[in-house]
Order: sequence, then C-alpha cells, then structure tokens
Amino acid sequence: EAQVTQNPRYLITVTGKKLTVTCSQNMNHEYMSWYRQDPGLGLRQIYYSMNVEVTDKGDVPEGYKVSRKEKRNFPLILESPSPNQTSLYFCASSSLTGGRSNEKLFFGSGTQLSVL
Amino acid sequence: GQQLNQSPQSMFIQEGEDVSMNCTSSSIFNTWLWYKQDPGEGPVLLIALYKAGELTSNGRLTAQFGITRKDSFLNISASIPSDVGIYFCAGHRTGNQFYFGTGTSLTVIP
Repeated sequence: EAQVTQNPRYLITVTGKKLTVTCSQNMNHEYMSWYRQDPGLGLRQIYYSMNVEVTDKGDVPEGYKVSRKEKRNFPLILESPSPNQTSLYFCASSSLTGGRSNEKLFFGSGTQLSVL
Repeated sequence: GQQLNQSPQSMFIQEGEDVSMNCTSSSIFNTWLWYKQDPGEGPVLLIALYKAGELTSNGRLTAQFGITRKDSFLNISASIPSDVGIYFCAGHRTGNQFYFGTGTSLTVIP
C-alpha cells in the first residue's frame, strides 16, 4: 500500500532533550516536506527536499534540522526542543516526475509532540 | 513565505445545504489541490486540478481552477454530517514547493 509513515504518533518530552521524528515513503517520491500545524495558523512548512541531499528551509525552520540521505526517508530533528515547538507535525511527499498529474502531496498521519 | 488566502475561515451549516469555499493567491499556480482533514489525522486529497478553467467533480464535491490561475473554488452539495472537518487548498508550480491556505473549518448541524 502506497503510504507516508511517521513515527512516533505521539511524543511527550522535556525541554532540551534531543529527539527525532522519522518519516518514510514507499512511492519513490522525489519531494518530501515537513509541516507543523497549530490552531488558527494552518499548515506551516518547516523544511522541504526536492531530492536526495537537497534540502531547503520553509517558513518556520528555526529550531529544526532535516536530512535526506536516502530517497525514502526524511527525518525531522529537534536538537534542543522548547515548549513553543509543541505542535502537530506532518510529513508529506510528492512525485515531481511523470507529468503534473503526478504532483499530488500525500500526508502521513501526524505526530503530536508535547514539550514540557 | 507565501500563504494562500482561503475563505471563509469557518462555516456552520444545516445538513442538506450546499457549501462554497475559495482560495486566492497573488501568484499563478499550475496545479490546485483540495484536501480534507479530520481531527488528529493527516489531510487527505479530495480533488486535483491541472488546467485553467478546469471543473472537476468527486461525488458531491466540485472544484474549479480559476481562469486567472490565481484562484480556485470548492463546492460541496447536499452536505452530510461526515463532511465535518477542515478543508485546505494548496497551490503548486512545477519544480517548486507546495503552498497552503489557512483552512476552512466546516461544521454540519444534523
């Protein structure tokens, strides 16, 4: 089944304790991205990647890191989490080849992060 | 970063009524996407539009790609309780990132 898989689904941590949220897709997509969702603010892009070893900052990259060493994986790293990073996070992926009809963004189920 | 203007922000309607929402941008897109998000879940793609003026339906949902390529509309006919959720528009230009609207929260009163 074609899907974007995020782990964990829920995470509670404390300020300053490094964490990684994993994201994996099995659709051979070039494009992957991370979003955070907060009440009233919609989806805000953190980082995106157009292909392996290519990453770019989105609208709210401060406090986050990403890497794209393999096509299927795009982990989100919080080196020193703070309470203002408490949010619902989504990973998404899309094909960028095969014509525009393939350019549809597919989302994971989300990771609810609480930083105490 | 660019965020699309989506309206209305929220809607409270009676079951059976039709719903309209729209999304506008200051920039041209060559793809418009509409998503629905249930509470605590990831957005799910409803309709994808690829051509200016295109009108596409998916059951009771109909979406249109604006002629100017700077806007898109989503209509839901004869709403039912399971239509409740947040609806997002997204715009895309080939080779670029995806941009999202702020969402329309829909409540359907039985």
